[in-house]
Amino acid sequence: DAMVIQNPRYQVTQFGKPVTLSCSQTLNHNVMYWYQQKSSQAPKLLFHYYDKDFNNEADTPDNFQSRRPNTSFCFLDIRSPGLGDAAMYLCATSPFPRGQRYEQYFGPGTRLTVT
Amino acid sequence: AQSVTQLGSHVSVSEGALVLLRCNYSSSVPPYLFWYVQYPNQGLQLLLKYTTGATLVKGINGFEAEFKKSETSFHLTKPSAHMSDAAEYFCAVSDRNTDKLIFGTGTRLQVFP
Repeated sequence: DAMVIQNPRYQVTQFGKPVTLSCSQTLNHNVMYWYQQKSSQAPKLLFHYYDKDFNNEADTPDNFQSRRPNTSFCFLDIRSPGLGDAAMYLCATSPFPRGQRYEQYFGPGTRLTVT
Repeated sequence: AQSVTQLGSHVSVSEGALVLLRCNYSSSVPPYLFWYVQYPNQGLQLLLKYTTGATLVKGINGFEAEFKKSETSFHLTKPSAHMSDAAEYFCAVSDRNTDKLIFGTGTRLQVFP
């Protein structure tokens, strides 16, 4: 089945130690999103890509970076995790074309713990 | 700007009872509306969506929602709750200009035996 895959499902990192979360998709969608979701809250969009066109949300901290080396893969890098970055991180995809408001397809998420 | 309001952060029902989760939206253009479900430690799964056409939309797991333009509502219902329906439910509207999803704050559904 076509799907969105996130690895690992659970990640523990130390305060200040860089961490990378990965997302891959077999849907061949052009758009990929990264969300941060804290307990009992709605997902908060961090950034998204139209193909390789990167779009950062205005309030996304500089500590969060992303890479998309090809259509299938997208990475979230947290350069110096703080305790406040502990959350569920969700990857999602959506097909082109721009402006036609398709639904988004979500991966299972990576729960990040910062010790 | 578009927005979504979900009334009731927690809803509790007995197994077999009607489920009603409320969602109201504000939008200056015809909205595309979605309901997603999230089980513990999982991603979001699309339950149903409204784009155009028939205002009563049927989704997975026996859920349905009705788009009411006059009430700017898109409430989610299920005639008979099952224990497996216990989860967090998010209503969302798609922003026409940015292709982003604007989420409501979510409603946690509890189902009691």
